Amino acid sequence: SAVISQKPSRDICQRGTSLTIQCQVDSQVTMMFWYRQQPGQSLTLIATANQGSEATYESGFVIDKFPISRPNLTFSTLTVSNMSPEDSSIYLCSVSGTALSGANVLTFGAGSRLTVL
Amino acid sequence: RKEVEQDPGPFNVPEGATVAFNCTYSNSASQSFFWYRQDCRKEPKLLMSVYSSGNEDGRFTAQLNRASQYISLLIRDSKLSDSATYLCVVLGNNAGNMLTFGGGTRLMVKP
Repeated sequence: SAVISQKPSRDICQRGTSLTIQCQVDSQVTMMFWYRQQPGQSLTLIATANQGSEATYESGFVIDKFPISRPNLTFSTLTVSNMSPEDSSIYLCSVSGTALSGANVLTFGAGSRLTVL
Repeated sequence: RKEVEQDPGPFNVPEGATVAFNCTYSNSASQSFFWYRQDCRKEPKLLMSVYSSGNEDGRFTAQLNRASQYISLLIRDSKLSDSATYLCVVLGNNAGNMLTFGGGTRLMVKP
C-alpha cells in the first residue's frame, strides 16, 4: 500500500489565523481525500482532492474555509482558514487503493492534530 | 438514524476472552464493508474486509448479514495489544462511492 507523509503532525494556532497541511504520497494516486476527526468522534470526509480541477466538497464544508490544492498525482494540501476553536481536530489525508477482493480501501496519513486557542 | 452505527463501548475484557462487536448500516445498497483499527492518537488502519460468506484472519472473524444490515467482528483469545478503537466502515452505492465511518467501538483488554 501507499506510504503517506503528512505534516505538520501537530500545531497550536491562534484563532483567526490559517494553517496549511501537506500530504505527500510515495506513488501516483488518482484519488486523494481529506478527513476530519473531531475529539472522541469518527472520521468525516471533508473533500476529495482532484488533480487538475477543483476539489469536491462534502455537505457542510466549503472551499473558502478549507481550500485544497492538488498540483500533481502525489501531493495535496489542505488549508484551514480563519481558524476558531471549533476547528480543533485531527485532519487526515488518505488515498484510495484496491484490496485483494477488488474493493476500495483507504490508507491514511498519520494525521495533523490541530489545536486552536 | 446514523448511516453507520456502533456501540461506542468501552468493552473491558480480560486477556484471553472472546469479544464481539456489531455494526448496523442504513443503506441497503451498500456494496463493501470493512473493519479498521485505530490506536490511540494514531491513524486508522485496515484490519480486514468483510465478505458476504464471512471471513477469518487468525483470531479475527468478520461476518456480514445483509438481511439485517449488520456486520460483526469477533476477536478470540484477546491480547493486550488488541486494545484499540475498531471502526466499522461501509462503502455506499452512491455517487462518488463514498466510505462512511461508524463512530467506533473502544476495546480495552486487561491483564
